[in-house]
Formats: sequence, structure tokens, C-alpha cells
Amino acid sequence: EPEVTQTPSHQVTQMGQEVILRCVPISNHLYFYWYRQILGQKVEFLVSFYNNEISEKSEIFDDQFSVERPDGSNFTLKIRSTKLEDSAMYFCASSDARGYYEQYFGPGTRLTVT
Amino acid sequence: GQNIDQPTEMTATEGAIVQINCTYQTSGFNGLFWYQQHAGEAPTFLSYNVLDGLEEKGRFSSFLSRSKGYSYLLLKELQMKDSASYLCHNAGNNRKLIWGLGTSLAVNP
Repeated sequence: EPEVTQTPSHQVTQMGQEVILRCVPISNHLYFYWYRQILGQKVEFLVSFYNNEISEKSEIFDDQFSVERPDGSNFTLKIRSTKLEDSAMYFCASSDARGYYEQYFGPGTRLTVT
Repeated sequence: GQNIDQPTEMTATEGAIVQINCTYQTSGFNGLFWYQQHAGEAPTFLSYNVLDGLEEKGRFSSFLSRSKGYSYLLLKELQMKDSASYLCHNAGNNRKLIWGLGTSLAVNP
């Protein structure tokens, strides 16, 4: 069964450093998403991406964040100048041409900022 | 504003039926979703309602009333593996995909 994959599974970085979180969505999916979940808190929407551009973004997704689909398979989230409060699980998800329907989530990348 | 409300915790017994409620307030409506999330894992899709009424899918059913801004997830014949968080999630007009905090369900033997 096709699945969304994410790398790395765990990233430790120092405050102020840049990180890139990588995702490979399901191959025939057209909509891509990034979410984050701080430990013990709710899933928070960051951004959705369709047709090579951002379709929606939340208030959390400020200039510190950017997304890119550098090729036909990868979807990345870049966090510039990480802060302690960026420590969270970051989930990538994708959905098919029906759009905001069933989203398939990757296993997540746990980001720890020290 | 936009908001999702669910009970924080529920407890039920193996084999029983449990109903998890969700109320929402959003600008517009593009569907009400339920996801299951086991501790330390990613959410997985359970159901989607866009019209009023009950959608049945095996042991899980989901109900929607758009006029009341209300949904529930019904879990029948509870199993120990159903112990998880259940996330109510709505796509409003701005499609920013508002998620609830989730209801942590503990199934006891």
C-alpha cells in the first residue's frame, strides 16, 4: 500500500540553525500539507500546497518557514533560524485530486531544538 | 471565531459502545473529518461527513448535523486497540483545516 514517508525521523538542532524536513508524498497525490504537534498538544495546520504553490497557510507559518517541491517526488519544509518553541513533531500529509478529503499522514519528524 | 470542542478524556469498557462528541464553529463548511491518533504515531483517517446524517463504516460510524454544528463518532464493540486519541477536524471556508485537541479514549478490559 502506498504511504507517505518522512526523513529524518528525529532531528536535533541548535537554536538559530536552519533545518530542512523532507517528505515523499504518495505518488499520484496532488495536495500536500505540513502540520506540527507540540508534545501533548493538538495538531496544528501549517500550510497546504497545490499546483506548485501555497494554497493556504496558518498564522504559525511566518517568514521563518518555507516549503518547496524541488522535484516530482519530494516536498520539503524549511525552518530558518530555529527557536526552542519549534520543538515538535512535524507531520507531512498528502491527498488526492479530491482535495481536502482523506489525508494520508507520514510518520512524522521529531524536531528537537536545543 | 473558529473553534472545535471535544471532551478531553473518555473511558469505556472492552465490548461496549462509546460516542465521542464534537462541536464546531467555523466560517463556512467543507466537511467534518474524524481521525484516530495512537500515542507517538501520525493521525489516520476514519471518516468524512459533508451531508447531515449517519455514515457507517464497520465498527465506526460518524454523524453530522450542520445546523447544530455538531458531529459524533460512534465506536461499537470496543477493542483494546481502540485506545487512542480521536481528532475532530473541520475544513472551513478558508480551508485552514481546524483541528480539535482530540479526545483521549481509554478502553479497559
